[in-house]
Amino acid sequence: AQTVTQSQPEMSVQEAETVTLSCTYDTSESDYYLFWYKQPPSRQMILVIRQEAYKQQNATENRFSVNFQKAAKSFSLKISDSQLGDAAMYFCAYRSARYNNNDMRFGAGTRLTVKP
Amino acid sequence: KAGVTQTPRYLIKTRGQQVTLSCSPISGHRSVSWYQQTPGQGLQFLFEYFSETQRNKGNFPGRFSGRQFSNSRSEMNVSTLELGDSALYLCASSFRASGRASVGNEQFFGPGTRLTVL
Repeated sequence: AQTVTQSQPEMSVQEAETVTLSCTYDTSESDYYLFWYKQPPSRQMILVIRQEAYKQQNATENRFSVNFQKAAKSFSLKISDSQLGDAAMYFCAYRSARYNNNDMRFGAGTRLTVKP
Repeated sequence: KAGVTQTPRYLIKTRGQQVTLSCSPISGHRSVSWYQQTPGQGLQFLFEYFSETQRNKGNFPGRFSGRQFSNSRSEMNVSTLELGDSALYLCASSFRASGRASVGNEQFFGPGTRLTVL
């Protein structure tokens, strides 16, 4: 079974600084997607960034980028120029492409605090 | 375009009762997934519905069930409530097509229903 591990329950960053959130996963599959979702205090989850396992190039979305290491099964999220609005719970998630379903496996989450 | 809506937002029930939660997906989305979020277990997949059929189910007891209507709206039902069912129940919709391509589609989450079982 696929598992997702986020080893940092909490992280803190100074406004305008850079922070990296860690995520590792365990799978025997080669075809899958990885996601980072953000859940602000209002609770509505939103997608931050996604990565297809077959694409070697790391995904980037404005200030958000990932470091995808397929062999190491690592998928970290880097937030550059942190803003107060980045404060939220961040969840790493895995979804197999094999079965074409939405059985998404989430990590336990990392609570990010942004200090002004 | 309106987002995913869930009703009610808050619910208080007692042990042994049953509850029905509702989810209206984004217009045009035919896939609806349900998740349970608790401090102890985190986010866990309950089930997914697509074209009125349950496509996948997580590791939850049979007390948890759901259905989807022809307009893609979905309901989930929990019977014989237990204290451990207290959680935030999230619904997510996505545009789903056949084949592998839709696996990477973004899921759009609703605000959730906070269920408290006393």
